[in-house]
Amino acid sequence: GQQLNQSPQSMFIQEGEDVSMNCTSSSIFNTWLWYKQEPGEGPVLLIALYKAGELTSNGRLTAQFGITRKDSFLNISASIPSDVGIYFCAGYEGAQKLVFGQGTRLTINP
Amino acid sequence: DAGITQSPRHKVTETGTPVTLRCHQTENHRYMYWYRQDPGHGLRLIHYSYGVKDTDKGEVSDGYSVSRSKTEDFLLTLESATSSQTSVYFCAISESLAGGLTNYEQYFGPGTRLTVT
Repeated sequence: GQQLNQSPQSMFIQEGEDVSMNCTSSSIFNTWLWYKQEPGEGPVLLIALYKAGELTSNGRLTAQFGITRKDSFLNISASIPSDVGIYFCAGYEGAQKLVFGQGTRLTINP
Repeated sequence: DAGITQSPRHKVTETGTPVTLRCHQTENHRYMYWYRQDPGHGLRLIHYSYGVKDTDKGEVSDGYSVSRSKTEDFLLTLESATSSQTSVYFCAISESLAGGLTNYEQYFGPGTRLTVT
């Protein structure tokens, strides 16, 4: 099946710094989703993108659907301790079959 | 909160025993999904349902079966558990029959940690 390449795999930053992570695929996706997961919990949907070139914000989070439809990125501005977690990108491979990236683990030093 | 519960939340079982995990939703969503999450593999789709008694296979369906006899419950069964099925299992939903959620946004339950010894 389709695989999504998510990078970086991990990030260690200082509180207050901006964060950027991205996801690429070899196939075209029509929808990109970004999730955050904290230890012991299920993934939580952060942002959904539906159109190529679309730029969507959710508070300090901004995500973009790449023009080629094969990539997406997520930015977090002015990071805070509660941003710690694993961030996943996901895209639809056919109807109803969501494919996930490997995740980016974010660690923040206060 | 999409009203999803999973039971049990933790289970330890022996190789060769049958195991059933339950996903329950309270908001009449049409689509329900089962995923497993393993280190190095992220989340992978096992099976999904698009209505009562309507199911289809995902990427890693071997060794698993599912059933959906009513809208609110989606069961995942391991007929004969193996150590390779030790994982964290997540249920997800999308699309509300009464409107609201779109067909593309999936919302996840809290997970079930299954250990097969």
